[in-house]
Amino acid sequence: GDSVTQMEGPVTLSEEAFLTINCTYTATGYPSLFWYVQYPGEGLQLLLKATKADDKGSNKGFEATYRKETTSFHLEKGSVQVSDSAVYFCALSDSKNQGGKLIFGQGTELSVKP
Amino acid sequence: ETGVTQSPTHLIKTRGQQVTLRCSSQSGHNTVSWYQQALGQGPQFIFQYYREEENGRGNFPPRFSGLQFPNYSSELNVNALELDDSALYLCASSNRDRAGEQYFGPGTRLTVT
Repeated sequence: GDSVTQMEGPVTLSEEAFLTINCTYTATGYPSLFWYVQYPGEGLQLLLKATKADDKGSNKGFEATYRKETTSFHLEKGSVQVSDSAVYFCALSDSKNQGGKLIFGQGTELSVKP
Repeated sequence: ETGVTQSPTHLIKTRGQQVTLRCSSQSGHNTVSWYQQALGQGPQFIFQYYREEENGRGNFPPRFSGLQFPNYSSELNVNALELDDSALYLCASSNRDRAGEQYFGPGTRLTVT
C-alpha cells in the first residue's frame, strides 16, 4: 500500500540555519503531497501542499517540490527561527482512489536554539 | 469562522469499557475524518464520513465505529477498550473536493488502564 517515510529526528539547529527534512513516498496512483506541522500543545496544521509533479508548495518561508522521478517531497527553509520548533509530518492523499484519506510519515521533531 | 473542536480533552477508561469522542467540524466543511496518533508516531487513518455515511476505512477493527450528523458533527465510538487504544484521537474536517486539505482539532487524549 501507499506509504510515507521521513528522516528520523530529533533535528536540532541554531537560529538562522538552513533546514532540510527529507520525505519520500510510495504510491500506486498520483497523490497530492502535504506537509503538516504540530506546534507544542496545538493541533496539526497544514503548512503547504503540491498536487502534481514539479509543483512547488510554499508557506511561511518553507518550500517543498513534488519530485516524481525521485518520489520525494523534501521540506526546506533557508533560515529557521526559534518559533519553527515543532513536529513536522509529511503526508500524501490519493483522493481519486482512496477518498482523500491522509497517509502520514512518522514525524520529524525540530528544535531550534537561539 | 469556527475551527474544529473536540471533546473531551482528556479521558481515562478501564480496559473493556466503551468510549464516545465528539467532534464539531469547521463551518462550511462536509467531510469528517478520524485519526489515531500513538505517542511519537504519525496519525493513522481510522475512517472518514461524508453525508452521514462512512466513506473509507483504515485498518481498524469493527469495534471502532462512527457517526456523522446532519450538521456535520461527528462521533467516534470504541467498544471493548484495549490497552493499545491509548492514544491521541484527532478529528479533521474538510470539503470533499479538497479532501487532502484537512483541518484538525486539538485531539482527545485517551488513556486505557
